[in-house]
Amino acid sequence: EDKVVQSPLSLVVHEGDTVTLNCSYEVTNFRSLLWYKQEKKAPTFLFMLTSSGIEKKSGRLSSILDKKELSSILNITATQTGDSAIYLCHSGGGADGLTFGKGTHLIIQP
Amino acid sequence: NAGVTQTPKFQVLKTGQSMTLQCAQDMNHNSMYWYRQDPGMGLRLIYYSASEGTTDKGEVPNGYNVSRLNKREFSLRLESAAPSQTSVYFCASPGLAIGEQYFGPGTRLTVT
Repeated sequence: EDKVVQSPLSLVVHEGDTVTLNCSYEVTNFRSLLWYKQEKKAPTFLFMLTSSGIEKKSGRLSSILDKKELSSILNITATQTGDSAIYLCHSGGGADGLTFGKGTHLIIQP
Repeated sequence: NAGVTQTPKFQVLKTGQSMTLQCAQDMNHNSMYWYRQDPGMGLRLIYYSASEGTTDKGEVPNGYNVSRLNKREFSLRLESAAPSQTSVYFCASPGLAIGEQYFGPGTRLTVT
């Protein structure tokens, strides 16, 4: 059975801190791992990592795929209150690439 | 270009009532998906459709039916709503990246 596990499930930090969110996956026919940010409405796409593209960076956010450990991390540096959201990890492999983790609820306190 | 649209945005039902959630995409994708999202459970796949005329069960299909009416539209039906179906429902279609999902705005359903 395909599985994506995220940790921690929730995290509270102060503005300016750096956070690391974790995602581990066990899926058949792995193709990609994706990170989404969900604020009040629908999830929005952040990064896609594949076997040929294991590190991505956009501003204060970066993500790395560890193919050996079957895991990925999402780093956010110099956090801001606007980073408060649920961060979802999603595997683009498996029967139809449809396995999501439960999400990490990140709260940034001023 | 609206992407993925869903109706209604909010709905309150009584136990035993039925309703259909509508979803449409204008990106000409073959695949469409229905998810539900509950606190602490993440997104769980209810049904998906790989192409017009085909549908398959996902992780939590019980209590739901779907119809892929044409390439644009994929509807989700609750025949006899139960309080356990109180949730936020998202329709999705593939995005540009491999495995990416592009989500509709969601439907918040409450069953009393």
